[in-house]
Amino acid sequence: AQSVTQLDSQVPVFEEAPVELRCNYSSSVSVYLFWYVQYPNQGLQLLLKYLSGSTLVKGINGFEAEFNKSQTSFHLRKPSVHISDTAEYFCAVSPMAGKLIFGQGTELSVKP
Amino acid sequence: DGGITQSPKYLFRKEGQNVTLSCEQNLNHDAMYWYRQDPGQGLRLIYYSQIVNDFQKGDIAEGYSVSREKKESFPLTVTSAQKNPTAFYLCASSMPGLNQPQHFGDGTRLSIL
Repeated sequence: AQSVTQLDSQVPVFEEAPVELRCNYSSSVSVYLFWYVQYPNQGLQLLLKYLSGSTLVKGINGFEAEFNKSQTSFHLRKPSVHISDTAEYFCAVSPMAGKLIFGQGTELSVKP
Repeated sequence: DGGITQSPKYLFRKEGQNVTLSCEQNLNHDAMYWYRQDPGQGLRLIYYSQIVNDFQKGDIAEGYSVSREKKESFPLTVTSAQKNPTAFYLCASSMPGLNQPQHFGDGTRLSIL
């Protein structure tokens, strides 16, 4: 069965520092990969997606992610975070029509 | 603006009552989804519908029911059979296809009185 593992449940960082949120997936078939962000008491907003082509994907708010097929990873990065990036981040895979499998989420806490 | 509207934002239920959560979208999406979110557990799929008048169970359908009579609407009923209904419920929609991202509403927080 397909699964998604987000390796860190919480990531505290200082403002303007770089950050990496790690995501590994398991799947025996080709998948599509997504990162979503959730601010408190809100729904999820799409940050970026990998469908095919270049393994480096750029998203909104300065985030980017790199698809690594051999390591089955899709880590999210930002070179310099802001206080406003404090939120929960979810990695998800789409192995079949109609289904998204989500990771457990990573709470990013940006401190001044 | 196009989007997904979930109502109410907060909902309280007494033991033994059924409650219905509303989800409406004006994005002209064919597919709609209901997720349950609990702290530290990510999102779990309750039901999904890829077309009007058709829906499928997700991973945790027990104690829930849905209908899809209109393209725009996908209400979720939490029945009294759901023993632990306190959670944050999220509705989403998408165009058909594996590569289509899902768009989410702002959620309904359900609590038991």
